[in-house]
Amino acid sequence: AQSVTQPDARVTVSEGASLQLRCKYSSSVTPYLFWYVQYPRQGLQLLLKYYSGDPVVQGVNGFEAEFSKSNSSFHLRKASVHWSDSAVYFCAVSIGASSSFSKLVFGQGTSLSVVP
Amino acid sequence: EAAVTQSPRSKVAVTGGKVTLSCHQTNNHDYMYWYRQDTGHGLRLIHYSYVADSTEKGDIPDGYKASRPSQENFSLILELASLSQTAVYFCASSGSGVNYAEQFFGPGTRLTVL
Repeated sequence: AQSVTQPDARVTVSEGASLQLRCKYSSSVTPYLFWYVQYPRQGLQLLLKYYSGDPVVQGVNGFEAEFSKSNSSFHLRKASVHWSDSAVYFCAVSIGASSSFSKLVFGQGTSLSVVP
Repeated sequence: EAAVTQSPRSKVAVTGGKVTLSCHQTNNHDYMYWYRQDTGHGLRLIHYSYVADSTEKGDIPDGYKASRPSQENFSLILELASLSQTAVYFCASSGSGVNYAEQFFGPGTRLTVL
């Protein structure tokens, strides 16, 4: 069965520092990959997605992620974090039973705190 | 103009009571989903639907029913609410074509069962 692991439940970084949030997946085929962000008491918002092609994908607000087939990973990065980046970040994979259906499997989430 | 809305945003229910959570989307999407989020966990799929008047079971359907009376509306029904169903519930929708896998989420409903 497909699964997604985010090994870091909580991450604290200083404002202006760089960030990497880790995500590893288990799947028999290369899935579609997503990073979502959840701000307090809000729904999930899409940060970026990977379908195919260039393994480094750019997202909103300066975020990027790199897909590695050999490592089954899709790590999220940002060069310089801002206090407003404090949120919970979810990695998700899409397991499609057909070309039109998308079932998302989520990781447990990583809570990011940006401190002064 | 939020594309996926949920009502209510929060609810307190009593054990054994009936709870209905509603979701409305203006994305013109065929697929709609209900997820549950527990503290410290990711989202888990309860039910989904790809067409009006039809619903499918997700990964954790026990204790939940779903209803899709129209393309825009998708409800989650707890016939006999239990303490273990205290959670935040999210509705989502997705379309077709090249971006079919991308889901758009509502703001969530915080359900507390006492």
